[in-house]
Amino acid sequence: SYVLTQPPSVSVAPGQTGRFTCEGNKIGSKSVHWYQQKAGQAPVLVVFDDRDRPTGIPERFSGSNSGNTATLTINRVEAGDEADYYCQVWDITSDQWVFGGGTKLTVL
Amino acid sequence: QLQLQESGPGLVKPSETLSLTCTVSGGSISSSSYSWGWFRQPPGRGLEWVGNINPHTATTYYNPSLKSRVSISVDTSENHFSLRLSSVTATDTAVYYCARGSFNSGWWIWGPGTLVTVSS
Repeated sequence: SYVLTQPPSVSVAPGQTGRFTCEGNKIGSKSVHWYQQKAGQAPVLVVFDDRDRPTGIPERFSGSNSGNTATLTINRVEAGDEADYYCQVWDITSDQWVFGGGTKLTVL
Repeated sequence: QLQLQESGPGLVKPSETLSLTCTVSGGSISSSSYSWGWFRQPPGRGLEWVGNINPHTATTYYNPSLKSRVSISVDTSENHFSLRLSSVTATDTAVYYCARGSFNSGWWIWGPGTLVTVSS
């Protein structure tokens, strides 16, 4: 089955840029979605279809996808961005939704 | 504004069947071509897809690791969809979420989640 790999943690100082990678075989050919999950809360979609933002998501959040790596970028990181971030794709080969293991963002 | 709410027993005994319902409010479950799905998250762990259903295409997809035990159905008259997971064990203990989404747009709307504990 398809596997998505995310680093377990990322630490960023306030005001700096945070980058979250999601690696998968030829992931550039798939549509990648990103979720933010704060402690004790349901996930929130922050980027869909590689680079689009749902209504209400700040422009600080952006996405890209090419080759074997998709990336979520958060500009001007704020304390309120501290959360777990998950990437997700629909694997048409096996007809299943796949999540990465998640990356925990710590704001220093 | 569309909202989802999970409901069901918070405690299920081993070997029994877990049953949850996701009630949709602020819109009709049958008025669009979206998919309706279930996800879960064991304590301290990552998100896992359980399965989803599309009432318009009458298509269901299930996580292969759960496929022999899981069933998802829709009741358009009650505007809700349901999850049944049979022969549960302690490894099925998790917060269960319902959500609405599509292949190219991801899962936009989520319920708050409900904790189900499997224990005797």
